Amino acid sequence: QKEVEQNSGPLSVPEGAIASLNCTYSDRGSQSFFWYRQYSGKSPELIMFIYSNGDKEDGRFTAQLNKASQYVSLLIRDSQPSDSATYLCAVNNAGNMLTFGGGTRLMVKP
Amino acid sequence: ETGVTQSPTHLIKTRGQQVTLRCSSQSGHNTVSWYQQALGQGPQFIFQYYREEENGRGNFPPRFSGLQFPNYSSELNVNALELDDSALYLCASSTSGGLGETQYFGPGTRLLVL
Repeated sequence: QKEVEQNSGPLSVPEGAIASLNCTYSDRGSQSFFWYRQYSGKSPELIMFIYSNGDKEDGRFTAQLNKASQYVSLLIRDSQPSDSATYLCAVNNAGNMLTFGGGTRLMVKP
Repeated sequence: ETGVTQSPTHLIKTRGQQVTLRCSSQSGHNTVSWYQQALGQGPQFIFQYYREEENGRGNFPPRFSGLQFPNYSSELNVNALELDDSALYLCASSTSGGLGETQYFGPGTRLLVL
């Protein structure tokens, strides 16, 4: 069973702080990794994807991948109340099929 | 907005009935994947269609079936509905099924089985 694990939270951070969201995966053959944001009652919205070890930055978001440790993270700098949502980590194992974690609920308090 | 559309937005059915959900993929995308998301959980992969052929299936029983049409739109059919089928059903489209192609989700269909 290929698994993706996330802490369900809630993770509570003050406005302006850095939010750190973590994800581990079991399949060493996984090659691409995605972070989606999902607001309550809405569908997942792509934030970032990462394929290579290291960091990838896009605006306030940084994705970090460590394949040796089978670990993916998402950092959100200068967190805003509008960032409050559930963040889903997804792993592409083969053939474009995504395996999702259960999501981490982030709360950014003004 | 991703350009992926789904219909209907909400649906109420009773146990034992059948349901058909529809999805139109984003322009230029030839792959459609379906996911089921129960309340409080992450989406679970049901199956994927690529150029009108099933291209992989998750751990769902045969009463979950699908189709893809020449214009790459897709249907998800569920027979003999059970209470546990109540969920948000998500369609995602992407380009040709190479590893790592990004999937873009539609707004989903929320199904309630009574």
